[in-house]
Amino acid sequence: EDKVVQSPLSLVVHEGDTVTLNCSYEVTNFRSLLWYKQEKKAPTFLFMLTSSGIEKKSGRLSSILDKKELFSILNITATQTGDSAVYLCAVEYNYGQNFVFGPGTRLSVLP
Amino acid sequence: KAGVTQTPRYLIKTRGQQVTLSCSPISGHRSVSWYQQTPGQGLQFLFEYFSETQRNKGNFPGRFSGRQFSNSRSEMNVSTLELGDSALYLCASSFDINEKLFFGSGTQLSVL
Repeated sequence: EDKVVQSPLSLVVHEGDTVTLNCSYEVTNFRSLLWYKQEKKAPTFLFMLTSSGIEKKSGRLSSILDKKELFSILNITATQTGDSAVYLCAVEYNYGQNFVFGPGTRLSVLP
Repeated sequence: KAGVTQTPRYLIKTRGQQVTLSCSPISGHRSVSWYQQTPGQGLQFLFEYFSETQRNKGNFPGRFSGRQFSNSRSEMNVSTLELGDSALYLCASSFDINEKLFFGSGTQLSVL
């Protein structure tokens, strides 16, 4: 069965801390891995990863994929209260827009 | 460019009724996917449409159906509603495969 596992499921940190969110997957015919941030309703796109070992970076956020070990990490440095959200990992597999989502990591950043 | 638009935002129905949700994708996007999100199950894939054809389908009963029109707008229908159908229904669009999904704000359905 195709599945995506995220850890931790919940995390509470203080502003300025650095966090690492994990995503591991088991799917048939992997195509890409995506990270999304969901604050209220609509998940917003963060990164799309298709190749191993190439870090993608956007401001304080960065992500990398390891296709051999079947996982990805999302790093957030110098966290701010605005980073509080659920971070979703999604993996596209097989043909067509087939995505399986992980349960998400709920990040709470305290002032 | 306008984002993905879903209507209505909120819906309250009773068991046994049916409901139709609407999604207008980003202009130029041909793929529309539907997801159900609940606190216990997370985001679950319902189905995906591309150029008016259902291309992929998740593991949901036949009460859940959808369609896509020639202008790429999509509708999702749930018949004979059950309490367990209460969820946030998210629509996402993309240009084609291997493209990131853009999500709408969802329709919050409550079944009483």
